[in-house]
Amino acid sequence: NAGVTQTPKFRILKIGQSMTLQCAQDMNHNYMYWYRQDPGMGLKLIYYSVGAGITDKGEVPNGYNVSRSTTEDFPLRLELAAPSQTSVYFCASRGPDSRPGEQFFGPGTRLTVL
Amino acid sequence: RKEVEQDPGPFNVPEGATVAFNCTYSNSASQSFFWYRQDCRKEPKLLMSVYSSGNEDGRFTAQLNRASQYISLLIRDSKLSDSATYLCVVLHSASKIIFGSGTRLSIRP
Repeated sequence: NAGVTQTPKFRILKIGQSMTLQCAQDMNHNYMYWYRQDPGMGLKLIYYSVGAGITDKGEVPNGYNVSRSTTEDFPLRLELAAPSQTSVYFCASRGPDSRPGEQFFGPGTRLTVL
Repeated sequence: RKEVEQDPGPFNVPEGATVAFNCTYSNSASQSFFWYRQDCRKEPKLLMSVYSSGNEDGRFTAQLNRASQYISLLIRDSKLSDSATYLCVVLHSASKIIFGSGTRLSIRP
């Protein structure tokens, strides 16, 4: 199993550009999450999904959108990138038998908005 | 006041030492608790869940004190490979998952 994979690893965007961060998992997990981690800070939940076709907002959803058309994939879309979105983005997943805090994380995408 | 607070450290201890750090939380309705470790520029990895009665996994012991609203992590016989940042995670609900900022631990030879 590859686990949770994320692409790209790094990206530099200009203000106002858009991009999609890709996340995929091959563990047949129904729960998937997107977090951002700013330097020296804890992770903050952006969006989460409890299964294909179902998504919901987390703590900091503004400026982002998600979709979940398959169990495997959970892309995060940034529209009109702003410098405040410079961060490391982590995708995570968990299976139905795990406690909500027991998550597997992908390696992250480092995004800089200039 | 932050919802979850951790001493940022760094804790710098010699190999073989015992080290402990705490994490306090503000919401008494918090449901469950976890410790993650995060190596530099890597993703967080689950270290252990924290159960009410306390639990142990090898050299690691986690405790929960609901009355005083903190959780703790004790590492015995510390190894060089234990050097990392330890993140405390507190869950209020499926959508309310709070990560602490982390405590940096450095083990010296």
